Amino acid sequence: SQTIHQWPATLVQPVGSPLSLECTVEGTSNPNLYWYRQAAGRGLQLLFYSVGIGQISSEVPQNLSASRPQDRQFILSSKKLLLSDSGFYLCAWSRGQRGSGNTIYFGEGSWLTVV
Amino acid sequence: AQKVTQAQTEISVVEKEDVTLDCVYETRDTTYYLFWYKQPPSGELVFLIRRNSFDEQNEISGRYSWNFQKSTSSFNFTITASQVVDSAVYFCALSAGETGGFKTIFGAGTRLFVKA
Repeated sequence: SQTIHQWPATLVQPVGSPLSLECTVEGTSNPNLYWYRQAAGRGLQLLFYSVGIGQISSEVPQNLSASRPQDRQFILSSKKLLLSDSGFYLCAWSRGQRGSGNTIYFGEGSWLTVV
Repeated sequence: AQKVTQAQTEISVVEKEDVTLDCVYETRDTTYYLFWYKQPPSGELVFLIRRNSFDEQNEISGRYSWNFQKSTSSFNFTITASQVVDSAVYFCALSAGETGGFKTIFGAGTRLFVKA
């Protein structure tokens, strides 16, 4: 069976500090990978998605970047955090197929508080 | 344009009551998929169901049932005999078009409180 893990689960970072959230998927190959953000009490916002190693599509221009150094590893980064980066970050995966209908499976999420 | 509307922001019920969560979607694509997810207090989104646009059969899974009606562009979710463990935020989502698999659209979510 497939599993997805992301870490750290929670972190408190000062404004201007860097960020690195990591996510790995097991039990599947060539998955599509996603980073979503959920602001407090709000819906899900797609930040990045990737269909393969080194292939990153950005949905929202902002202070964040993503990288996919390995097939089942997805990393969300920032060089300098802003207060507005606070939120709940969710890594997710789906089977590597084009077109609609891919069920997205989510990781446990990471709570980021920027102070 | 594609859109998912969950008009109910919060719903509060007493245990054992039935509750229906509404979901209305918009898309011009003839092939599309609809989903429901549950987000308990722990935060992780749990996949509940996927339905494609060519299958309008209602589905029942235990206390959960889903009513898909293309005529009204709705995909409503009913919990029968609700329990405290059903308390969560529920998201409806839409995936449509060639790139829809990468850009699943989520509704704003409905927070359900089930009181003992």
